[in-house]
Amino acid sequence: GQNIDQPTEMTATEGAIVQINCTYQTSGFNGLFWYQQHAGEAPTFLSYNVLDGLEEKGRFSSFLSRSKGYSYLLLKELQMKDSASYLCAALDSNYQLIWGAGTKLIIKP
Amino acid sequence: NAGVTQTPKFRVLKTGQSMTLLCAQDMNHEYMYWYRQDPGMGLRLIHYSVGEGTTAKGEVPDGYNVSRLKKQNFLLGLESAAPSQTSVYFCASSRSEGSEKLFFGSGTQLSVL
Repeated sequence: GQNIDQPTEMTATEGAIVQINCTYQTSGFNGLFWYQQHAGEAPTFLSYNVLDGLEEKGRFSSFLSRSKGYSYLLLKELQMKDSASYLCAALDSNYQLIWGAGTKLIIKP
Repeated sequence: NAGVTQTPKFRVLKTGQSMTLLCAQDMNHEYMYWYRQDPGMGLRLIHYSVGEGTTAKGEVPDGYNVSRLKKQNFLLGLESAAPSQTSVYFCASSRSEGSEKLFFGSGTQLSVL
């Protein structure tokens, strides 16, 4: 079957760095997305990786290893507003998105 | 700058009642989707549409119907609501399939008693 695994919850300190991991098993693979979802709000797009390597976008970076079925989202210089759930989603061979349950990130002052 | 608009934001139904959720997008996107989000689970695709007049089943279509009569609108209907349909529903749209990012509406919290 198809599956996405990511930690349920993580806690980090304001100003620090946190890495949220995601492993995936899909029938074929056409890329991996990260979305941010604040409590009670809609998910919003953060990143899309289809090639191996690290892509940096300001304080957020996303990494992909296709051979390992692994991705991570790296958040630097954490701010209180980064408290949210982070959703990992893989695109399978039929271009269907398989979603993880999300990682709830709690930022403490 | 509306993007994807979903109505209503909250709804309470009794078992067996029917309702329709409306989704509208102003970005001229071809693809539209209805998802449900339940605690501890990933987003699950209910139905989707690849263009005006087309609809297709997603992962959890049972108990739901959809229509896409106009390109900008995608309606989700529940003919006979059940407590198992208590969830948060999100509409989304994208320019095309695949690597195109999704734009989500603000969600509808539905409770079926």
